[in-house]
Amino acid sequence: DIQMTQSPASLSASLGETVTIECRASEDIYSNLAWYQQKPGNSPQLLIYDANSLADGVPSRFSGSGSGTQYSLKINSLQSEDVASYFCQQYNNYPYTFGAGTKLELK
Amino acid sequence: EVQLVETGGGLVQPGRSLKLSCVASGFTFNNYWMSWTRQAPGKGLEWVASITNSGGSTYYPDSVKGRFTISRDNAQNTLYLQMNSLRSEDTATYYCTRDGLPGYPNWFAYWGQGTLVTVSS
Repeated sequence: DIQMTQSPASLSASLGETVTIECRASEDIYSNLAWYQQKPGNSPQLLIYDANSLADGVPSRFSGSGSGTQYSLKINSLQSEDVASYFCQQYNNYPYTFGAGTKLELK
Repeated sequence: EVQLVETGGGLVQPGRSLKLSCVASGFTFNNYWMSWTRQAPGKGLEWVASITNSGGSTYYPDSVKGRFTISRDNAQNTLYLQMNSLRSEDTATYYCTRDGLPGYPNWFAYWGQGTLVTVSS
């Protein structure tokens, strides 16, 4: 199974700040990586697919990058509505696996 | 508008069975692979099962293989998850998901609101 190591587990940032969340795969996943946002009490929502493609309706302050085994999600100019948990997921091989998540809070 | 509505969750005793349903609308159901993903209370996400658009092939992680069965009725636009021999560690909110592009496995573009399954005596 492909292990997805996500960091940090939690993050505290100020409004307007830029934050970065990292995800490392235990083997090459050929950019078959998605990022999801989950606000408290809600279902996860797709943010990024194929490592760097923005999903429909997602603000342009979100961006994804990476290749091989190393990937990152960047949020520019943090807004209050970005307070949420974020998860990476590889869909290169079954079993699909998720990172453990990053809980983003406002400082 | 894509909609996925899960039903069937509830409280069930260990060792018993439960069947979840997910009614889909707003897209051509038989074009897309579908999946179930779960989230234990306060925990992360775990993929549970996937099925091809035709229903001809299914995929599971070892944690549920042999106990859970994913199926679909393309005439009724409905996805199912039959869960047998339930364990306390199966307690979670179960989400129905639709893939982003038709015809092959890819990312989970749409998620239902989830249905809570609690396994306890």
